[in-house]
Amino acid sequence: GNSVTQMEGPVTLSEEAFLTINCTYTATGYPSLFWYVQYPGEGLQLLLKATKADDKGSNKGFEATYRKETTSFHLEKGSVQVSDSAVYFCALSVGDNAGNMLTFGGGTRLMVKP
Amino acid sequence: DGGITQSPKYLFRKEGQNVTLSCEQNLNHDAMYWYRQDPGQGLRLIYYSQIVNDFQKGDIAEGYSVSREKKESFPLTVTSAQKNPTAFYLCASRKGLAASSSYNEQFFGPGTRLTVL
Repeated sequence: GNSVTQMEGPVTLSEEAFLTINCTYTATGYPSLFWYVQYPGEGLQLLLKATKADDKGSNKGFEATYRKETTSFHLEKGSVQVSDSAVYFCALSVGDNAGNMLTFGGGTRLMVKP
Repeated sequence: DGGITQSPKYLFRKEGQNVTLSCEQNLNHDAMYWYRQDPGQGLRLIYYSQIVNDFQKGDIAEGYSVSREKKESFPLTVTSAQKNPTAFYLCASRKGLAASSSYNEQFFGPGTRLTVL
């Protein structure tokens, strides 16, 4: 089956620090990969995505590269801000699923201190 | 503005009562989904629907029911058979039916927090 594993949080950083949140996956087909962000009390927002190997998704200073050889999609940001404090979810979707459903990791809480 | 709306934002229910959570989208998306999120955990799929008048069970469908009478609406009923219904419920939608990489991201509503008293 499909599964996504993320590093457990919380991850606590000071403002302007470098961020890495690790994500690895297993999939029965060729997946598309996503990072979603959830701010307190809100729904999930799509942060970035990549649909094929070596693609780099980027948005709002965040980046992630689809690494098929290591089955990974690690999230990075060069300089975090307090406003980046949220829960981050890695997810995959395999296009030949009946419902094209998302499989989520457990989420990683990021806390950025001023 | 296009988007997904869920109502109410907060909902309280007494034990033994059924309650219905609303989800509406004006994105003209074909597929719609319901997820449950428990504190500190990821999302688990309850039900999904790819077209009107058709829906399938997800991983944790027991104690829940849905309907899809209109393309833009996908209400979820939490029945008294759901033994632990207190959770955050998220609705999502996705454009297209085909397994295309161009349309496989899901867009989420703001969620409804259900508390059983």
